[in-house]
Amino acid sequence: AQKVTQAQTEISVVEKEDVTLDCVYETRDTTYYLFWYKQPPSGELVFLIRRNSFDEQNEISGRYSWNFQKSTSSFNFTITASQVVDSAVYFCAPIRMDSSYKLIFGSGTRLLVRP
Amino acid sequence: EPEVTQTPSHQVTQMGQEVILRCVPISNHLYFYWYRQILGQKVEFLVSFYNNEISEKSEIFDDQFSVERPDGSNFTLKIRSTKLEDSAMYFCASSLPPEGAGYEQYFGPGTRLTVT
Repeated sequence: AQKVTQAQTEISVVEKEDVTLDCVYETRDTTYYLFWYKQPPSGELVFLIRRNSFDEQNEISGRYSWNFQKSTSSFNFTITASQVVDSAVYFCAPIRMDSSYKLIFGSGTRLLVRP
Repeated sequence: EPEVTQTPSHQVTQMGQEVILRCVPISNHLYFYWYRQILGQKVEFLVSFYNNEISEKSEIFDDQFSVERPDGSNFTLKIRSTKLEDSAMYFCASSLPPEGAGYEQYFGPGTRLTVT
């Protein structure tokens, strides 16, 4: 069975602080992709990043960076110099490489960035 | 940029009524999905659809639910007899064949279903 854990239910930071969102994906699968989606107060789901299970190289894209460690099944996402517009719920969502390729969403982390 | 569209944006219905939620996926996509999100909770997979048939469905997707791709462009979710607990945001998503695009699913803006 697969299990997605986002242990942080809510995080509050002051604007310009860095913030890291944690995600742990427990699975016996050796090949998978991991996605992060953002859900702002307006409700839509916005794709942010995608990583595969066979590439542990950390990457940076603008204010976003991500750290994937397969040995610990952790896939963490960092926002540098947070802004009020970053306030949203962030979901970690692995995808299974089976016939359906469905996303398995975590419970989400609500990020509040205060001015 | 192509996008997934959903209609209506908000549907209010009485318990026991049938509802049809409509989605227009991105035109060259081949995999289609419905997810739902009860207010304040996580997004849950309902069903995936490929090659004109269901490829997987969750435990939530019981006999009251059905999906259809009637005309090659629309993708619909029907709930035959709605219950109060069906109240949720329903998201449609579509994707290219996995080998083509890294498995990214594109989501529509959602339909908020309220059952009274």
